Amino acid sequence: GQQLNQSPQSMFIQEGEDVSMNCTSSSIFNTWLWYKQEPGEGPVLLIALYKAGELTSNGRLTAQFGITRKDSFLNISASIPSDVGIYFCAGRADNYGQNFVFGPGTRLSVLP
Amino acid sequence: EAQVTQNPRYLITVTGKKLTVTCSQNMNHEYMSWYRQDPGLGLRQIYYSMNVEVTDKGDVPEGYKVSRKEKRNFPLILESPSPNQTSLYFCASSPSSGRRRETQYFGPGTRLLVL
Repeated sequence: GQQLNQSPQSMFIQEGEDVSMNCTSSSIFNTWLWYKQEPGEGPVLLIALYKAGELTSNGRLTAQFGITRKDSFLNISASIPSDVGIYFCAGRADNYGQNFVFGPGTRLSVLP
Repeated sequence: EAQVTQNPRYLITVTGKKLTVTCSQNMNHEYMSWYRQDPGLGLRQIYYSMNVEVTDKGDVPEGYKVSRKEKRNFPLILESPSPNQTSLYFCASSPSSGRRRETQYFGPGTRLLVL
């Protein structure tokens, strides 16, 4: 089936630093989502992207839908300790279904 | 409070002993789904339901059953659990139409260990 790759797998950063992570696919997606999962919790939707080139922000988070429709990027500016968690990307190939493919996640640790 | 609840949160069982993990949502969502999460693999969809009495297989349905007799409930059934079904399971729900359908609300997860 379809697979997504996320990089990096994990990252350790200092509080205040900016963070960049990306998600790539071998096939085209029409919708990209970014989720955050904190320990002991289910994933929570951060940002949804619907068309190629789209750039969307949610507070200190900014995500982009890649022009090729095979990738997406998430940036976090001025990281804080509560940014710790696993960040998942998810993609949907068709416009009408609700079945998403999830990436393996990027584990973010923020050092004070 | 809008939420998805799962029970139990933790379960240890033995191979072959049938079990059911319940999922309930109070948001009147049409769409519900079950995922399993394993290290390095992200979330993989097991089964989903577009509405009452409408269910379909996801990417990894083998060894699982579901039912959707009521809109709010979507139980996951393991008729004969095996050790490779040891995993963290999430139920999720969302509206079935409109832009908000991307907003899947996830339950807190059920951690299952099959010995």
